[in-house]
Amino acid sequence: DIQMTQSPSSLSASVGDRVTITCRASQSISRDLNWYQQKPGKAPKVLIYGAFNLQSGVPSRFSGSGSGTDFTLTISSLQPEDFATYYCQQSYSTPLFTFGPGTKVDMK
Amino acid sequence: HVQLVQSGAEVKRPGASVNISCEASGYTFTTYSLHWVRQAPGQGLEWMGVVDPRGGAPTYAQKFQGRVTMTADTSASTVYLTLPGLTSEDTAVYFCARDFQFTGSSSRIYKWLEPWGQGTLVIVSS
Repeated sequence: DIQMTQSPSSLSASVGDRVTITCRASQSISRDLNWYQQKPGKAPKVLIYGAFNLQSGVPSRFSGSGSGTDFTLTISSLQPEDFATYYCQQSYSTPLFTFGPGTKVDMK
Repeated sequence: HVQLVQSGAEVKRPGASVNISCEASGYTFTTYSLHWVRQAPGQGLEWMGVVDPRGGAPTYAQKFQGRVTMTADTSASTVYLTLPGLTSEDTAVYFCARDFQFTGSSSRIYKWLEPWGQGTLVIVSS
C-alpha cells in the first residue's frame, strides 16, 4: 500500500500568516493527490484535487503544488475560519485510497 | 441535492458486531462507489474500503481484510458496513463518502471523496 506522511503534524500561526503544509508519498503518485480540511465535529471537505486544482467555492488563498512524491498545500493569508486540520489523500492506487496523518493548524 | 445520511450512534460491548448504514439520495446510486473512512477520538482519518453498488467484490484496506464487510442494496440506495469482534480500538466516528470523479481538460481523470455522510459514532465499552 502507498503510505502518506505529512509535516508538520501541527503548527501555530496568526491571522494573516502564510502557512505551508507538506505531504509525501512512499512512491510516485503522479498528481493524484487531494487536500481536505476538517473542523471539529464535521466531515472533511475537499479543498484541492489533482494536486493543484482548486475545488469550486474554495477561497483562492488556498493553493496546491507538487507531483510525484512531494506535495504542498499553501494558505497565502490565514483567516480565522482556516484554523482546522488538513489531510492529504492519494487516489493514485484507486480504488484504494490513503490519507496522510493530518496537520493541525491552531492559533498562536 | 446529493446527500448521504448515516444511521445513528451505537454503543456496543467488546466482542459484539456493529452494522452501520449510509443512505444515498440526489443522484443515481449505481453511478458512484461509496467509501468508508473512520476516525478514532483525536486521531486522523483512516480509509477502510470501498464498495461499488454496481456489483463486484469490495476493496478493503489491508488492515481490515478478513474482518470488515461492505455491502450495497440498490433497492434502498444504501450501503452497509459490518464490523464484528469489536474492541475498544474500534471506538470511532465512521463516515461514508461518495467517490467523485472528474475528467479534466486534458482527459486526465481526478477522483476524490465528496460528499460525506454526517458520521456515525460507535463506542465500544464494557
